[in-house]
Amino acid sequence: KAGVTQTPRYLIKTRGQQVTLSCSPISGHRSVSWYQQTPGQGLQFLFEYFSETQRNKGNFPGRFSGRQFSNSRSEMNVSTLELGDSALYLCASSLELGNTEAFFGQGTRLTVV
Amino acid sequence: SQKIEQNSEALNIQEGKTATLTCNYTNYSPAYLQWYRQDPGRGPVFLLLIRENEKEKRKERLKVTFDTTLKQSLFHITASQPADSATYLCALDDNYGQNFVFGPGTRLSVLP
Repeated sequence: KAGVTQTPRYLIKTRGQQVTLSCSPISGHRSVSWYQQTPGQGLQFLFEYFSETQRNKGNFPGRFSGRQFSNSRSEMNVSTLELGDSALYLCASSLELGNTEAFFGQGTRLTVV
Repeated sequence: SQKIEQNSEALNIQEGKTATLTCNYTNYSPAYLQWYRQDPGRGPVFLLLIRENEKEKRKERLKVTFDTTLKQSLFHITASQPADSATYLCALDDNYGQNFVFGPGTRLSVLP
């Protein structure tokens, strides 16, 4: 079956702009989590969605938001981009909430200039 | 404060040897701990999960141990191959089992 699909793969934005990233989970998976990965901070949890509701949130400012649709697809949005938001954004899907095994997509590489 | 540490940023070993990676944590009480492999430019790939009541788990050439007293997990790759070269991440559930917290990773290089 198809894996987790993230689009776009690469993105370049200017400071102050906003960006929307998309994630399609594995068919049948209902939980989607988002992570930010940078060389300095490693992999950091952003939020998790299940049944169209945000169930858990990491320690990121309100500029980072997300949503989940009825088909479990998810989007995350970052407003008022800062240079420090440059990172690899990873989406992971799981069968259920808090499920033990996460399947990651290839990520979206965001560069803010 | 809560912390997850992995023994070293980088580890070089000779092909055929056993690679041992360490994950230590502080101020967490995980119900389970996982290991992932990540290749450059790609998302992490799940390898193994071990629960708090399990001492050891094996999968082919991989072995994971979990010592809740020492607050440590060891990840072993036996008969290592150059194709095993990657960054290995440990992850554990936070105290409420709500989300995963990842360690900084160890970059393993298996030299031919």
